[in-house]
This record gives sequence, structure tokens and C-alpha cells, in this order.
Amino acid sequence: GQNIDQPTEMTATEGAIVQINCTYQTSGFNGLFWYQQHAGEAPTFLSYNVLDGLEEKGRFSSFLSRSKGYSYLLLKELQMKDSASYLCAVLDSNYQLIWGAGTKLIIKP
Amino acid sequence: ETGVTQTPRHLVMGMTNKKSLKCEQHLGHNAMYWYKQSAKKPLELMFVYSLEERVENNSVPSRFSPECPNSSHLFLHLHTLQPEDSALYLCASSHLSGQRYTDTQYFGPGTRLTVL
Repeated sequence: GQNIDQPTEMTATEGAIVQINCTYQTSGFNGLFWYQQHAGEAPTFLSYNVLDGLEEKGRFSSFLSRSKGYSYLLLKELQMKDSASYLCAVLDSNYQLIWGAGTKLIIKP
Repeated sequence: ETGVTQTPRHLVMGMTNKKSLKCEQHLGHNAMYWYKQSAKKPLELMFVYSLEERVENNSVPSRFSPECPNSSHLFLHLHTLQPEDSALYLCASSHLSGQRYTDTQYFGPGTRLTVL
């Protein structure tokens, strides 16, 4: 079966750095997405990786290793507004999006 | 105007009621999606419409009935639901290239549904 694993919940301190991991086992791979979802709001697109390596976008970076079936989202200089759930999703060989259950990130002052 | 809107934002209904959820996208996309989001579970894809034709129906019970009258509007008609259907129902849209859903999906804020 197809599976996306990410931690259920993480806690970090304002101003610090946090890394949210995502591992996947899917039938094929056509890219990996990260979305942010604040409580009661729509998921919003953060990043898309299809090649190995690190993609940096401001305070957020996303890394992919296809050989390891692994990605992480790195958040720097954490702000209180970064408290949200972070969803990892993989496009499989049929171009179907397989979703993880999300990681709830709690930022403390 | 926001990209994808959904109404209502909250809905409480009894098991014998009939209601409809509405989604509208203002992004010029040609594919629309319904998802179910339950607490601590992955998003579940329910239906996909491409150019107003249903192309995905992931074993969803018949008490959920989608309708896509045009590329900007999507409905989910609900009848005789069960308490376990209580969840957040999200609509999304994207641009479809051929048969490949490679483009980023943009989500609406969702309808929080409670079935009593």
C-alpha cells in the first residue's frame, strides 16, 4: 500500500528553527508538496519538489531525497503565526496525490 | 476576491436532512476536487471533475452526490448522512494539463459539517 508518514505534533520556540520530516512509500513518484493549514482555514501551498536537493523560499526550505523516500520542511526564525498544521503530499505514478495526516506545529514564546 | 470560496462555512444537519455544499473558484482552473478531512487523518479525495466531467469517484457512498454545472462551480449534495460523516469538507481547484494533476491545488476554507 501507499503510505506517507510525518510526526503528529511538534513544539518549538519562537525565533528558533524546526525541521518537519516526511517519509513516503508510494507506487512511483512525480513530486512532493508541502502545504500549511491554519486551524479552520484552507491548506495553502508552500513548496513543490521533484528533484533531489534543497529549495529555499524565504524562511521556509524544503528538501527531497528520492532514493531515501524522504523530505523535510525547514522553518527558520519561527514566528507565532507559524503555528499551524503542515501537510506532506506525494504525486504517485498515476498522478494521484497521496496525503500525510499532517504535523501540528505549536510555537511557544 | 479570494481564489476558492465555499459556503456555508459551518453546517449542522440531522440524518434525515438534505443539504448542499457550494464551491466557487475564481482562478480560471479547469479541474475541481472534493476532499474530506477528519481529525488526525490524511485528506481523503472524494471526487474530481475535469472540464465539468467527473473523472474520479473514490468509492464514496451514494449519500454524497457531486454536481459540476460549469468549470467555476462545484456542489456536493448531501442526504441521509451518518454521524461518522461529520468532518471538514474541502474544495480545491487546479489547472489540468492533459490527464495529469501535476499542478498545485488551491483550496477553499472548507465547510465544517456536523451530523447529529
